[in-house]
Amino acid sequence: DTAVSQTPKYLVTQMGNDKSIKCEQNLGHDTMYWYKQDSKKFLKIMFSYNNKELIINETVPNRFSPKSPDKAHLNLHINSLELGDSAVYFCASSQGGANSEAFFGQGTRLTVV
Amino acid sequence: GQQLNQSPQSMFIQEGEDVSMNCTSSSIFNTWLWYKQDPGEGPVLLIALYKAGELTSNGRLTAQFGITRKDSFLNISASIPSDVGIYFCAGQGVANAGKSTFGDGTTLTVKP
Repeated sequence: DTAVSQTPKYLVTQMGNDKSIKCEQNLGHDTMYWYKQDSKKFLKIMFSYNNKELIINETVPNRFSPKSPDKAHLNLHINSLELGDSAVYFCASSQGGANSEAFFGQGTRLTVV
Repeated sequence: GQQLNQSPQSMFIQEGEDVSMNCTSSSIFNTWLWYKQDPGEGPVLLIALYKAGELTSNGRLTAQFGITRKDSFLNISASIPSDVGIYFCAGQGVANAGKSTFGDGTTLTVKP
């Protein structure tokens, strides 16, 4: 039983395309996140949702739009993909509030060619 | 914004050796977390610290929350080959409930 699952695991696409990454958690957590890990392995938070409400929105291009249909799902849609978007994107969840212990998915390796 | 400095950036050690890595922050944190990331996987939480001065162990791992609330260290004793990976510290500040700032990671290589 995977706690945080994201699909697809690998995504190769051409510049200018639009793509989505899906994430689901079965931990009953209230908070979900999207992180980006670049080629140097730096982990940066992109977005955070708490009970379907956006609570953290870091400096991310408008081409990235998260959507949370319910508190167990947080999807990431990316428009007009650029070469610099190539990275590993991680979904994570936590109980929220003062408890920020995050459970991460396996990651989606996005390659833009 | 909050900045975390994690060191060393990488370590190459012999199996059986002890390892120490640390993180320092420019501001006070309420929570320190230590994660390990294996190749091709997401980070996995190793230890969570919630009180200044707290010392917590998880098997061969020991982590401490610094008294100043601006630093934390992680020790691994008697390293084994499966300790290989990237170790990240993460801190949560007073004014950013639920948001963790991650250090840049320490890449550990263990030679058998």
